Amino acid sequence: GAVVSQHPSRVICKSGTSVKIECRSLDFQATTMFWYRQFPKQSLMLMATSNEGSKATYEQGVEKDKFLINHASLTLSTLTVTSAHPEDSSFYICSARDMSGSGYNEQFFGPGTRLTVL
Amino acid sequence: EDQVTQSPEALRLQEGESSSLNCSYTVSGLRGLFWYRQDPGKGPEFLFTLYSAGEEKEKERLKATLTKKESFLHITAPKPEDSATYLCAVRSDFNKFYFGSGTKLNVKP
Repeated sequence: GAVVSQHPSRVICKSGTSVKIECRSLDFQATTMFWYRQFPKQSLMLMATSNEGSKATYEQGVEKDKFLINHASLTLSTLTVTSAHPEDSSFYICSARDMSGSGYNEQFFGPGTRLTVL
Repeated sequence: EDQVTQSPEALRLQEGESSSLNCSYTVSGLRGLFWYRQDPGKGPEFLFTLYSAGEEKEKERLKATLTKKESFLHITAPKPEDSATYLCAVRSDFNKFYFGSGTKLNVKP
């Protein structure tokens, strides 16, 4: 149980284009999903917290107009990187909290999406 | 200020050589301390949750312990397949999660 998928796993795009990344909780409902960014050899940097049916909460320094987050259902959140530039190239990881039973606290992570902007 | 500090940054062990990873934390109201394993190019894999001082959890060669200030991840007789980066995170009273920078473990055969 507690499986989180991400799609795509890798994406290469040209500068100026927009890229959408999907995060799905496959076997549980997640009212809260998190989006992280990870640079090489560094830990996770929380970008935003996504709550189903409401606006995402962005961390300080993260541009909400550039990183659009939509959490339309209890199993799906999307991150759209708008007008991507090379400096947006990174490893993006989502996580979801299982709100049922003993799994209330843990975050379960997706496999990540490697974004390369040329 | 809430924060999580992991040490060492990197650890090299011979196969079978037991050791411990440290996670020190300061947080306003601990609502859980979490250990994850991350392999290169992959998302973190959940290992343990600890809630209160004195609590211990085990999984195969791994054992996590918790005090009021820190947590240890003990690795007993590690194997090369245990090589990974181990991340520690805490959840605060304000429902915020804080991650440490991780310990990169390399187990040589």
